[in-house]
Amino acid sequence: GAGVSQSPSNKVTEKGKDVELRCDPISGHTALYWYRQRLGQGLEFLIYFQGNSAPDKSGLPSDRFSAERTGESVSTLTIQRTQQEDSAVYLCASSSPMDRVWDTEAFFGQGTRLTVV
Amino acid sequence: AQRVTQPEKLLSVFKGAPVELKCNYSYSGSPELFWYVQYSRQRLQLLLRHISRESIKGFTADLNKGETSFHLKKPFAQEEDSAMYYCALVTGTASKLTFGTGTRLQVTL
Repeated sequence: GAGVSQSPSNKVTEKGKDVELRCDPISGHTALYWYRQRLGQGLEFLIYFQGNSAPDKSGLPSDRFSAERTGESVSTLTIQRTQQEDSAVYLCASSSPMDRVWDTEAFFGQGTRLTVV
Repeated sequence: AQRVTQPEKLLSVFKGAPVELKCNYSYSGSPELFWYVQYSRQRLQLLLRHISRESIKGFTADLNKGETSFHLKKPFAQEEDSAMYYCALVTGTASKLTFGTGTRLQVTL
């Protein structure tokens, strides 16, 4: 596809279960970002990948959260032992760092709505 | 470290009134700045780039290096402007986009 794709679009899980969220970035985009957006709130940065490495994971809220990226492509965000406060929309974005930084543009996925019951 | 601050979580204005969404940044060099918008039930998307110096949907933004600000302005708000707005910056050294936490603009009749 032409855009950033996230799956699943909706996920309902029981408290204490683990979940995996997937992001397929635009082909060739080396930068990948994960954000969390609570209902009616703004973006909360989680982690940034450049290629397969994560130079900035400062936004991960606890050690229950982890993310990986392989092949400079797909990324998965894993939340272990989910809690009700993890309920939110998880957004993924990708961009291709340009020599001309003013051309940098992040393309966002539609998000995964996670509900922990 | 680079940082973007949007001091208002919510801005409510009447239709036809002027709008100014505030954005301040901290970075010692010369960053490139952007505004992104998220309309209801739509993906977050780029609204405008500082470098373009263009007006998009009637919105403009001027970089003030002295005040380290990049406020988004529109002279006359429309109902369809109601959305979440995010300010973002990127620097040549980091090549990482940094977003503010966003301001919800509510335009009422």
